[in-house]
Amino acid sequence: DQQVKQNSPSLSVQEGRISILNCDYTNSMFDYFLWYKKYPAEGPTFLISISSIKDKNEDGRFTVFLNKSAKHLSLHIVPSQPGDSAVYFCAASAVNYGQNFVFGPGTRLSVLP
Amino acid sequence: KAGVTQTPRYLIKTRGQQVTLSCSPISGHRSVSWYQQTPGQGLQFLFEYFSETQRNKGNFPGRFSGRQFSNSRSEMNVSTLELGDSALYLCASSNPGQGYYEQYFGPGTRLTVT
Repeated sequence: DQQVKQNSPSLSVQEGRISILNCDYTNSMFDYFLWYKKYPAEGPTFLISISSIKDKNEDGRFTVFLNKSAKHLSLHIVPSQPGDSAVYFCAASAVNYGQNFVFGPGTRLSVLP
Repeated sequence: KAGVTQTPRYLIKTRGQQVTLSCSPISGHRSVSWYQQTPGQGLQFLFEYFSETQRNKGNFPGRFSGRQFSNSRSEMNVSTLELGDSALYLCASSNPGQGYYEQYFGPGTRLTVT
């Protein structure tokens, strides 16, 4: 049973527009969430995090929104750039799980020039 | 500041052999976690080491083990390799304080078992 789901395997967006990547989770114990992006032949790169005490966190072009009641989070990238083309993973953990982050399967984002 | 380094980057082993992978965390980071990435299962947590002690463990058989040294460098060992152990093995380091923390990943070791 997948505890962290990213239901869109791929997403294509025009350069300059908004990219919205979605993530759903089932374990109500999760209270800390991370987003990573991954280029081929590289390890994942940390992008942004959010804890359950917040519903929004911004860092430059990246904003993460958390809806605890829906067990849903989303990553917004505005404006999207061709260099953003990568696979994006969301990951979740809980206070008792320490570093045991559960990763979603990833969404491949393609930003078209 | 140098990033997380992993050696070797690529490895080919035969079924039944054992393998040791190495990870050097970012300077000052005391937590090292290991993950296995496969096309079918995605990224799965193996274990975490902090101050030379295993702090968390994922759902992997006992053939997968690890250790951490006093300088925070970590190794993971897989004994009696199986074909299904072919994967990208990633380590991540972090500097935990109160609560939670972000992990910084290395480039991974690509293990192929034949």
